[in-house]
Amino acid sequence: DGGITQSPKYLFRKEGQNVTLSCEQNLNHDAMYWYRQDPGQGLRLIYYSQIVNDFQKGDIAEGYSVSREKKESFPLTVTSAQKNPTAFYLCASRDAGQGTTEAFFGQGTRLTVV
Amino acid sequence: AQTVTQSQPEMSVQEAETVTLSCTYDTSENNYYLFWYKQPPSRQMILVIRQEAYKQQNATENRFSVNFQKAAKSFSLKISDSQLGDTAMYFCAFISNYGGSQGNLIFGKGTKLSVKP
Repeated sequence: DGGITQSPKYLFRKEGQNVTLSCEQNLNHDAMYWYRQDPGQGLRLIYYSQIVNDFQKGDIAEGYSVSREKKESFPLTVTSAQKNPTAFYLCASRDAGQGTTEAFFGQGTRLTVV
Repeated sequence: AQTVTQSQPEMSVQEAETVTLSCTYDTSENNYYLFWYKQPPSRQMILVIRQEAYKQQNATENRFSVNFQKAAKSFSLKISDSQLGDTAMYFCAFISNYGGSQGNLIFGKGTKLSVKP
């Protein structure tokens, strides 16, 4: 079955540590996105990538980093520079070649800093 | 920069009645796409309906329809015959394939809809 998979579902991190969230898709989509969701804030864009080896900062990129070495994968690293990383993170992908196609979402990763 | 605004943080409706969720957006682009997504308690994002800006006809999907007013930059969602399963967060989203923010898919802050029996 085609889809987009995020792992892990729950993640705990100690303060000062970097942590990487995984996002994999087998939909052959060019575009991939990372969002952060906090109560009352909606979905805020962290980074997005429209093609392999290229990505752009979203509205809240500080303290995060990404890579896009393969079309299928778009991992997000939450660095120790991110002041308040506890949140729900959503990854999405989309066929950028056709403007009317919607984004497909993973099931999310809940990150908690302990 | 494009922005999406949902002015109703929470709404409630009685089962079987109709409710309308509001969304406004700001862009200088002429060609773009708008979406409504639903996020139930499971937190899985589900597409409800989409609208191409170049189409004047409002999109409809079963009980869900939109009122797209391009000049006013308004994109409201109407849910008819509300069901308990419609209880969820609803997000309005915008994307343009042109301009400096090409490919940037942005969302509003959401409206929490409760359907009451």
